[in-house]
Amino acid sequence: IVLTQTPLSLPVTPGEPASISCRSSQSLLNGDDGNTYLDWYLQKPGQSPQLLIYTLSSRASGVPDRFSGSGSGTNFTLKISRVEAEDVGVYYCMQRIEFPTFGPGTKVEIK
Amino acid sequence: QVQLQESGPGLVKPSETLSLTCTVSGGSISSYYWHWIRQPPGKGLEWIGSFFHSGGTNFSPSLKSQVTMSIDTSKNEIYLKLSLVTAADTAVYYCARGASSSWFGSRRLDYWGQGILVTVSS
Repeated sequence: IVLTQTPLSLPVTPGEPASISCRSSQSLLNGDDGNTYLDWYLQKPGQSPQLLIYTLSSRASGVPDRFSGSGSGTNFTLKISRVEAEDVGVYYCMQRIEFPTFGPGTKVEIK
Repeated sequence: QVQLQESGPGLVKPSETLSLTCTVSGGSISSYYWHWIRQPPGKGLEWIGSFFHSGGTNFSPSLKSQVTMSIDTSKNEIYLKLSLVTAADTAVYYCARGASSSWFGSRRLDYWGQGILVTVSS
């Protein structure tokens, strides 16, 4: 399964909202349990990736509620309601309905 | 708090075998799937494969012929071997924990190590 992300680079202004899109080459909806197996990870500069959002829209432990995930089927969105300086880094979507694959990443930086 | 630490040689010669260890502290490794992911310098993430202590393994189709994974529950260590390496295998290698033992939950990666850079060069 191939994941594409847009944009690949996203300059943001602190306090403003931001949005990243992820598209999948096939549906990530599991018909048996109704879950959509799309996750989001953030890799801050010099760090390993950290789980932000799992199963489409559930926030991982400790993740601020300014982060939200949405979408369906093959189109997904990560939204940050009000960007903070600590949110800079590369955001990856990852599907796990089959063996995991990652999107190319979206680099978020402060304007 | 669960912590993962990768270790191993930082330089491997072409055609040789890359061998890495992931040491887990703060929890048992027996109840979880353990994954290896890599990231070539300046590039994105690539899933290599996963291992469960009872022997369940899954590998990326593109790497399946090169990869071996194993585990030592007495040492709380997970191992990766990648054979016949080339320069294309130069990357930061991460180990990560699958969040649960369920089929899909095992692929939700909730804890990651800091990563280790392995360079393939003569």
